[in-house]
Amino acid sequence: GAVVSQHPSWVICKSGTSVKIECRSLDFQATTMFWYRQFPKQSLMLMATSNEGSKATYEQGVEKDKFLINHASLTLSTLTVTSAHPEDSSFYICSATLWTSGDYNEQFFGPGTRLTVL
Amino acid sequence: AQSVTQLGSHVSVSEGALVLLRCNYSSSVPPYLFWYVQYPNQGLQLLLKYTTGATLVKGINGFEAEFKKSETSFHLTKPSAHMSDAAEYFCAVSPPQAGTALIFGKGTTLSVSS
Repeated sequence: GAVVSQHPSWVICKSGTSVKIECRSLDFQATTMFWYRQFPKQSLMLMATSNEGSKATYEQGVEKDKFLINHASLTLSTLTVTSAHPEDSSFYICSATLWTSGDYNEQFFGPGTRLTVL
Repeated sequence: AQSVTQLGSHVSVSEGALVLLRCNYSSSVPPYLFWYVQYPNQGLQLLLKYTTGATLVKGINGFEAEFKKSETSFHLTKPSAHMSDAAEYFCAVSPPQAGTALIFGKGTTLSVSS
């Protein structure tokens, strides 16, 4: 099956620093990747849709200057949390989508990245 | 617009008991439906999916779900719960447009006691 990796799996940083999270589709090409944020005991909140070679589309309320997304190739998307603050601490999950011959989206999820900002 | 409602944010069962997690959807077009499981500090793992064909879908770990169009439901069941089934479960529906994100329900936490 399709595999999506994320790196790092966890990161601790100081307030004010920037953190980059990588999302890779290992055995398929994904024209579209998604970034989600998940708070404890809650569902996934879609942050942005990332398409290869174009600017990301952010959901309402997500600061695009704070959460920089780059989708440089068909297998790699990165999320950079700039000037991180404690309220940015969360679990970030990426997914990559395949449009199947059955005319539906199938999403494959990465293992997530736990960000803690001190 | 499509939406998913998961009834019951928390379900508790005893080991060996039937597991029933409820999911209702709203969709103006034929839906494609998914159940995912999430263990602590991990990503989402696909349990099963309904696209077309047989309405009773079997997935991994002994789970199955039945698509009932008349009830707009896609409930997840397992005949006999195991301690390892304790996790968060998410129901999701796929929009018909290519490259759009799945729409998730709020999730149901399954607890299994011995």
